[in-house]
Amino acid sequence: KAGVTQTPRYLIKTRGQQVTLSCSPISGHRSVSWYQQTPGQGLQFLFEYFSETQRNKGNFPGRFSGRQFSNSRSEMNVSTLELGDSALYLCASSDRLAEPQYFGPGTRLLVL
Amino acid sequence: GESVGLHLPTLSVQEGDNSIINCAYSNSASDYFIWYKQESGKGPQFIIDIRSNMDKRQGQRVTVLLNKTVKHLSLQIAATQPGDSAVYFCAEFGSGTYKYIFGTGTRLKVLA
Repeated sequence: KAGVTQTPRYLIKTRGQQVTLSCSPISGHRSVSWYQQTPGQGLQFLFEYFSETQRNKGNFPGRFSGRQFSNSRSEMNVSTLELGDSALYLCASSDRLAEPQYFGPGTRLLVL
Repeated sequence: GESVGLHLPTLSVQEGDNSIINCAYSNSASDYFIWYKQESGKGPQFIIDIRSNMDKRQGQRVTVLLNKTVKHLSLQIAATQPGDSAVYFCAEFGSGTYKYIFGTGTRLKVLA
């Protein structure tokens, strides 16, 4: 099976802009989770979607949002970008909770 | 915020030696644990997992040990190779929280 794919791989934005990142999970996986990875904070959980429903959410401001489509593909959106949003955004999919999550290569976002 | 394995040590081992990477987790109710390997510029890669009803699980050259009494997880890598150089993360999953919590990781350096 093909792995988790994320697009774009790299992105440069300026403060105040918004950005949409995309994730295609492994075929058959219905759970998609998003994480933010920074050197200082490590891997921080953003949210998890299952069958188009957000089941869980981390401690991030409302500027961070996401959605999942009927084909399990997921997008996350960050509005009103801040410098501190510069990070590697990782998407992971799994068949169900308490099962291995498989990560994509990530989208590296730089906010100037 | 929530965290697993706050410390990010660097472990240097000679090629061919065994490596032991440790992780302390915070939630005694966590019942599923995963080890990941992350190489520079890539997303985390699943290595091995273990459930709370087990104390030990072996894979190819890797062994995970779980000590629930002291909330400790370890990853043993046998005959460490240069390709094992990476950052290793542990993650816990709790049926109550329904999300994965990642440690900050340990950097493994393999010396030739």
